[in-house]
Amino acid sequence: GIQVEQSPPDLILQEGANSTLRCNFSDSVNNLQWFHQNPWGQLINLFYIPSGTKQNGRLSATTVATERYSLLYISSSQTTDSGVYFCAAKNDRDSNYQLIWGAGTKLIIKP
Amino acid sequence: DTGVSQDPRHKITKRGQNVTFRCDPISEHNRLYWYRQTLGQGPEFLTYFQNEAQLEKSRLLSDRFSAERPKGSFSTLEIQRTEQGDSAMYLCASSPWSSFAFFGQGTRLTVV
Repeated sequence: GIQVEQSPPDLILQEGANSTLRCNFSDSVNNLQWFHQNPWGQLINLFYIPSGTKQNGRLSATTVATERYSLLYISSSQTTDSGVYFCAAKNDRDSNYQLIWGAGTKLIIKP
Repeated sequence: DTGVSQDPRHKITKRGQNVTFRCDPISEHNRLYWYRQTLGQGPEFLTYFQNEAQLEKSRLLSDRFSAERPKGSFSTLEIQRTEQGDSAMYLCASSPWSSFAFFGQGTRLTVV
């Protein structure tokens, strides 16, 4: 089945810095999502982005499906951006419904 | 209706006991998912419902786990004869279509 790998596993930045998180996937995908899990455990969907580029405020994401990777950009980081960022993907070959999740990137933004 | 609701938020149980968790999805979301998450890992898929039909169940899910969604609205996840390895966060998510999931705050289970 499809495998999802995220890097880096941990990232510590000062408030105001920019960051790039990467998600590599081992096969073609028809569904790719980025999530943020806050320190209280709540998972919030950020982007549904199987291909192309999207932006939402200080966050943007790009998926290059042909090269099997996706990037999440966070600009002008704030302490509230801290938490774990997950990438999750699927293709219909393996499952119609089951998202495969990466292990996450733990982001700490220091004031 | 502001989001996916899960109950209880925390559950401590003795090994061998049965536990049941409830999930109320966002109204009109016909798709409902259960996931399990252990510390330091991403969520792991358990099962999926479309309306009241359970269409997919993880091969990793033992026979001690069962889920229902009797009227296509709320769902329950039951774990029988709990084991210490069942300790985890149990997450429920719903979506109106296949591509974008909204998660509840989870039920944290501790088996002692």
